[in-house]
Amino acid sequence: KAGVTQTPRYLIKTRGQQVTLSCSPISGHRSVSWYQQTPGQGLQFLFEYFSETQRNKGNFPGRFSGRQFSNSRSEMNVSTLELGDSALYLCASSLTLQGGNNEQFFGPGTRLTVL
Amino acid sequence: QKEVEQNSGPLSVPEGAIASLNCTYSDRGSQSFFWYRQYSGKSPELIMFIYSNGDKEDGRFTAQLNKASQYVSLLIRDSQPSDSATYLCAVTAGSARQLTFGSGTQLTVLP
Repeated sequence: KAGVTQTPRYLIKTRGQQVTLSCSPISGHRSVSWYQQTPGQGLQFLFEYFSETQRNKGNFPGRFSGRQFSNSRSEMNVSTLELGDSALYLCASSLTLQGGNNEQFFGPGTRLTVL
Repeated sequence: QKEVEQNSGPLSVPEGAIASLNCTYSDRGSQSFFWYRQYSGKSPELIMFIYSNGDKEDGRFTAQLNKASQYVSLLIRDSQPSDSATYLCAVTAGSARQLTFGSGTQLTVLP
């Protein structure tokens, strides 16, 4: 079974631009979560989507947004990029929202560099 | 106080030894506990999860959970140089599914 895929793998942008990252979960998985990883802050939760609805949101500014499509694929968008947004952005998929099968599996990530 | 704390290391063990990685958490409502392995330049890989008090074994890995002490650990038996990586402890609380991560422990297994 194919794993989580993320595109693009690398991005270089300049301050003030916006960026859209894409994630395709494992086939059959309906929940997608996004995380930001930086050397200083570690891994931090951005948001979670299930059935095209945002179920949970982390402590990030409104410049960070996302959505999920009917096929469970998800995108996240960062507008008005700042230097501090340089990070590895990770998507994780899981089978169900509640109950069992809470394990989350990460994709390879998108490395964003803001110049 | 950080919600999930790990000794950042680095932790070095000789090949064939047992590596012991520890994690404490502050939220008593935490219900699910995960260990991820992350090689340099790669994304986290789920290696163990545990939901109930006690031990859970999977091959060379054993996860131990003590909810009363708010403590979870990972033991790696017969450590191999290929186990050298950063190990991340993560927890979820209540019905929320977001993972809260520790800062990770860097493990080096010396040949």
